[in-house]
Amino acid sequence: DAGVTQSPTHLIKTRGQQVTLRCSPKSGHDTVSWYQQALGQGPQFIFQYYEEEERQRGNFPDRFSGHQFPNYSSELNVNALLLGDSALYLCASSLGGTDNTGELFFGEGSRLTVL
Amino acid sequence: DAKTTQPPSMDCAEGRAANLPCNHSTISGNEYVYWYRQIHSQGPQYIIHGLKNNETNEMASLIITEDRKSSTLILPHATLRDTAVYYCIVRVGPGGSQGNLIFGKGTKLSVKP
Repeated sequence: DAGVTQSPTHLIKTRGQQVTLRCSPKSGHDTVSWYQQALGQGPQFIFQYYEEEERQRGNFPDRFSGHQFPNYSSELNVNALLLGDSALYLCASSLGGTDNTGELFFGEGSRLTVL
Repeated sequence: DAKTTQPPSMDCAEGRAANLPCNHSTISGNEYVYWYRQIHSQGPQYIIHGLKNNETNEMASLIITEDRKSSTLILPHATLRDTAVYYCIVRVGPGGSQGNLIFGKGTKLSVKP
């Protein structure tokens, strides 16, 4: 158990709808990263939040947005869902300062199906 | 694109050592080698990391060649529960700007009875 909690675990949406996924990081961690994993592929980096700001972003459209709260938990929002957004969405937590170990702790993911 | 190259799949007999290779010929001087694994339907799990010296922990050993262009992850006594996809990743290490992890497709290790 990595101590990272994600919700919901599974959800089904239709094209054009919007979805919000949630993540609570491991206790003591202040940085949250989000990844998208399509079937049979490795996880792809979406973005990372530290101190409530987006610190780095991968090659994903603006339909993907996020937020980090003062308690370090985070949300991933996806607007105007496409069939291709169907994937496992993974949250990873870590320490963002200079004392970090370089290790990410992943949650079990949220499985999104878009019909 | 991932900075590493791994075989797509490997088999290993239960109880034997599993040796998973990884090529990272373009690794930079400040980049570490990290290994993660992903058991089916779970999130990736950190295994081990190293810069240039061999490393060992309770899960595995990491052997990095002297020129740092390749490495091998060793699971000394593989069990059925070690069946997973293993990812080799190069990235800036501890204390630095974390950035993101760039995953390739990894190696699917199948441990057989």
